[in-house]
Amino acid sequence: SQTIHQWPATLVQPVGSPLSLECTVEGTSNPNLYWYRQAAGRGLQLLFYSVGIGQISSEVPQNLSASRPQDRQFILSSKKLLLSDSGFYLCAWRGTGSRNSPLHFGNGTRLTVT
Amino acid sequence: AQSVSQHNHHVILSEAASLELGCNYSYGGTVNLFWYVQYPGQHLQLLLKYFSGDPLVKGIKGFEAEFIKSKFSFNLRKPSVQWSDTAEYFCAADTGRRALTFGSGTRLQVQP
Repeated sequence: SQTIHQWPATLVQPVGSPLSLECTVEGTSNPNLYWYRQAAGRGLQLLFYSVGIGQISSEVPQNLSASRPQDRQFILSSKKLLLSDSGFYLCAWRGTGSRNSPLHFGNGTRLTVT
Repeated sequence: AQSVSQHNHHVILSEAASLELGCNYSYGGTVNLFWYVQYPGQHLQLLLKYFSGDPLVKGIKGFEAEFIKSKFSFNLRKPSVQWSDTAEYFCAADTGRRALTFGSGTRLQVQP
């Protein structure tokens, strides 16, 4: 069966420090991968998605970047965190080539920038 | 651009009351629709989905949703809620852009 792992679960970082959140998927090949940010009262905002290794689409301009160095690995990064980067970050995957497949979410990372 | 609207931000019900959460999407083409639920302290889980066919979709835990194309709506319903239904509910639409667009969520609080 497929599983998705996201870590760390919580993170407290000072302003200006770098960020690296990692997400890996097991039990499937060539998944579509996503990073969402969840903010209270604002739902889930799509940040990045990837349909293959090295292919990243950015939905909103911001202080963050994403990379997909391996088929089932998706990394969210920042060189210098801002206070506004605080939030709950969710990684998700779905099967390739089918709009009929739902998203499967990881447990999320609660990021607090101080 | 496509969007998903959930107009009920916070709903408080007593146990056994009926539930209806509104969801509207803005997209004129073919769309797949989803409802996700997030229980306190847990990750997002799929509740139900609509792709085609019968517009009345039944999901887990007694939930159902009706797709009304003319109203661009996909409202979530449950005849009798339980305390364990306390959670945040998200409507989402897939218009073929490879990613789902989510609504802002509805927090449901069921009082025993």
